[in-house]
Amino acid sequence: QSVLTQPPSVSAAPGQKVSISCSGSSSNIGRNYVAWYQQLPGTAPKLLIYDNNKRPSGIPDRFSGSKSGTSATLGITGLQTGDEADYYCGTWDSSLTVVFGGGTKLTVL
Amino acid sequence: EEQLVESGGALVQPGGSLRLSCAVSGFPVTSKFMTWVRQAPGKGLEWVSVLYPGGAAYYADSVKDRFIISSDTSKNTIFFQMNSLRVEDTAVYYCATRVTQELGDGVRNIYMDVWGKGTTVTVSS
Repeated sequence: QSVLTQPPSVSAAPGQKVSISCSGSSSNIGRNYVAWYQQLPGTAPKLLIYDNNKRPSGIPDRFSGSKSGTSATLGITGLQTGDEADYYCGTWDSSLTVVFGGGTKLTVL
Repeated sequence: EEQLVESGGALVQPGGSLRLSCAVSGFPVTSKFMTWVRQAPGKGLEWVSVLYPGGAAYYADSVKDRFIISSDTSKNTIFFQMNSLRVEDTAVYYCATRVTQELGDGVRNIYMDVWGKGTTVTVSS
């Protein structure tokens, strides 16, 4: 059981937009910054979004992040088949640990 | 370019020990927060341990008192000594650098920005 709650899966057609939610509490998302990670099949996780909404160098602006209260959202526009991956949110928790969501599998139909 | 390369994963029996290595290039190993994150087969990410630049180390409750994180500056490498291994420790173990910003009033910005490719630990009889 993960501390942060994500939908197990989302899907959309190529070119469409999708949003992935990440729900937490006042002890984690509510007071700290959120990051998102992309894990392509068979590979290591990669930082996708940090500081709630910033993109590392090389990450296209099709990817965006936002946070409101105790929830965060990852948005992906102009979906491509290469975006098929597992996506994880992560943040700091007052239990003094980094916590992650359970992951969301994105399928581009 | 900052790079992390893990090694040392293997098949080990329950109760056994294993030492993982994370070879660091592109920066001094003691200049950043270094962390281990694991992923059990078909499961999500789980933070396991962190080594602060000053030498302090912290662990998830699931591995506390069994695992030890350390660094060797001469090799620019992070080590992860895993003792009393359990079946539930089976996972891919990733080494990652951790950005840590304390922004006042208890607010923190913490994320892992550089990841290694991982090394597989299987605990089974």
